[in-house]
Amino acid sequence: DIQMTQSPSSLSASVGDRVTITCQATQDISTFLNWYQQKPGKAPNLLIYDASTLETGVPSRFSGSGSGTHFTFTISSLQPEDTATYYCQQYDNLPRTFGQGTKVEIK
Amino acid sequence: QVQLQESGPGLVKPSETLSLTCTVSGGSISDFYWNWIRQPAGKGLEWIGLIYSSGNTNYNPSLKSRVTLSVDTSKNQFSLKLSSVTAADTAVYYCARRQYYYDSTGHLKFDAFDIWGLGTKVTVSS
Repeated sequence: DIQMTQSPSSLSASVGDRVTITCQATQDISTFLNWYQQKPGKAPNLLIYDASTLETGVPSRFSGSGSGTHFTFTISSLQPEDTATYYCQQYDNLPRTFGQGTKVEIK
Repeated sequence: QVQLQESGPGLVKPSETLSLTCTVSGGSISDFYWNWIRQPAGKGLEWIGLIYSSGNTNYNPSLKSRVTLSVDTSKNQFSLKLSSVTAADTAVYYCARRQYYYDSTGHLKFDAFDIWGLGTKVTVSS
């Protein structure tokens, strides 16, 4: 299985701050990486696919980059509605695997 | 638009079989891969397995010995059975659609769980 490791596991930042989350894969997955946002009590929602492509309707303050084994997810200007847990997920191989999540809170 | 709805018992006894059904509405179940994903309280997401509308399956090796997925195209439903459950199987269970496509160069451009059910909480307890 491909293991996905996210860091940090949680962070607290102020409105307007730039927030960065990293995701590391245990093997080369090219750009076969998605990022999801999950709000409490809700199902995850796809934000970014192919490591850097924004899903339709997702605000442009969200972005992703990386390839191979190292990936980055950024919120350029944190908003109150961005309070959530964010997960990376690889689709290079089965079984599909997720990172352990990064909980983002407003300071 | 396509919507998914999980259904099934919220409480299952240890050693018994957990059974859930996902009903697809607003679209056909045909020609897609359908998935089950679970999330223990306060923890991350674990992919359980997938089934194609033709019935082909793939399971997470960590659960393979206990999981059976099936599909009923006439009812637009697919189902999960997880046998010999323990407290470690207590979780919110989600069904989700896998959507994928290739770009003009043959690169797998999109492969994601694009539609999810609301999730159903299953507790394993006597």
